[in-house]
Amino acid sequence: EAQVTQNPRYLITVTGKKLTVTCSQNMNHEYMSWYRQDPGLGLRQIYYSMNVEVTDKGDVPEGYKVSRKEKRNFPLILESPSPNQTSLYFCASSLSKTPGGDTQYFGPGTRLTVL
Amino acid sequence: QQPVQSPQAVILREGEDAVINCSSSKALYSVHWYRQKHGEAPVFLMILLKGGEQKGHDKISASFNEKKQQSSLYLTASQLSYSGTYFCGTKKYNFNKFYFGSGTKLNVKP
Repeated sequence: EAQVTQNPRYLITVTGKKLTVTCSQNMNHEYMSWYRQDPGLGLRQIYYSMNVEVTDKGDVPEGYKVSRKEKRNFPLILESPSPNQTSLYFCASSLSKTPGGDTQYFGPGTRLTVL
Repeated sequence: QQPVQSPQAVILREGEDAVINCSSSKALYSVHWYRQKHGEAPVFLMILLKGGEQKGHDKISASFNEKKQQSSLYLTASQLSYSGTYFCGTKKYNFNKFYFGSGTKLNVKP
């Protein structure tokens, strides 16, 4: 089944404890992206990648890192999480390298709470 | 940079129509429309790439104006299953970032 998977789905952690949220797609998609969703703010792009080893900042990249070593995987890393990073996170992918040129398929989301 | 989406919320009775608008100050490369049910991932509805384009399926359709600065989503004869939050997503020319509007919460009542 074609899908985007994220793990973990739920995570409660403490300030400063490094964590990684994994994202994987099995559709051979070129473009992958991370978003965070907060009430009243919609989805905001954190980082995106148009190809292996090619990543760039979205609108709210502060406090996050990403890597794209393989086409299928795009992990989101929080080196030192803070309470203002408590949010619902979505990974998405699309076939086209051109962002916005194609359907974005979303993962199921990761609800992160930083105490 | 974020597109302006309106209205913020709509309450409808089954069978009524609704229009959701999404506008930008500059011409857009594309507009996407997504629907999100509470606690779930956004689900793609449609993408518009050309000025003057209109497309749709079932009773949900969308348009993209000639200047490619505004898009509208039309929901006709609404059903209970249409309830959720609708987002437009946009990409501008020469920018690779993707921006979503703040969402329109649609509640269809029996």
